[in-house]
Amino acid sequence: SYVLTQPPSVSVAPGKTATITCGGNKNAIKSVHWYQQKTGQAPVLVVYDDADRPSGIPERFSGSKSGNTATLTISGVEAGDEADYYCQVWDSTSDYVFGPGTKVAVL
Amino acid sequence: QVQLQQSGPGLLKPSQTLSLTCAISGDSVSSNNAAWNWIRQSPSGGLEWLGRTYYRSKWYRHYAVSVKSRITINPDTSKNQFSLQLNSVTPEDTALYYCARTGSSGYPDYWGQGTLVTVSS
Repeated sequence: SYVLTQPPSVSVAPGKTATITCGGNKNAIKSVHWYQQKTGQAPVLVVYDDADRPSGIPERFSGSKSGNTATLTISGVEAGDEADYYCQVWDSTSDYVFGPGTKVAVL
Repeated sequence: QVQLQQSGPGLLKPSQTLSLTCAISGDSVSSNNAAWNWIRQSPSGGLEWLGRTYYRSKWYRHYAVSVKSRITINPDTSKNQFSLQLNSVTPEDTALYYCARTGSSGYPDYWGQGTLVTVSS
């Protein structure tokens, strides 16, 4: 089965850059999508297909991918970015797979 | 704008059947460009895809291996909604349940508000 790994937590000061990684257990990680989930709310898509942003998502959110690892970068972090972030891929054997999530704390 | 509105009971006893409904607005359950999913989130926070249904000249259903023997997802075209049934629930089924749409791009892009389901005797 396809497994994704993420760091449990990332701490960042306001105005700085937060970097969240997502690793896959197969050769080249598939197209990665990223979700932001604030406390008590449903997940919201912030990046799709590795690096594209849905309308309404600030440019501060960007995605990239290299080999087996995808990265979500939040530039100029704001207090409102404090949330859990999940990566997700689709795999032909496991269907929709989510990473365990990374809690972003704004110091 | 697609909106998904969930409904259903939130408290069950072990061995009972979980039943949730997701009403769709802004799209059609019969769309040839969408799939309709159920995803749950455990108390520890992990997201688990449970299954989906979609229409491509006929109805298809795909289920996660972990729940395949207990789950049914059905469309209701007359009400433009879809439902989740999970049989023989145990406390391990306690979770926040979400319905979600995947568009032609293949990732969940619209989510319901979530329903907390607690299984306890």
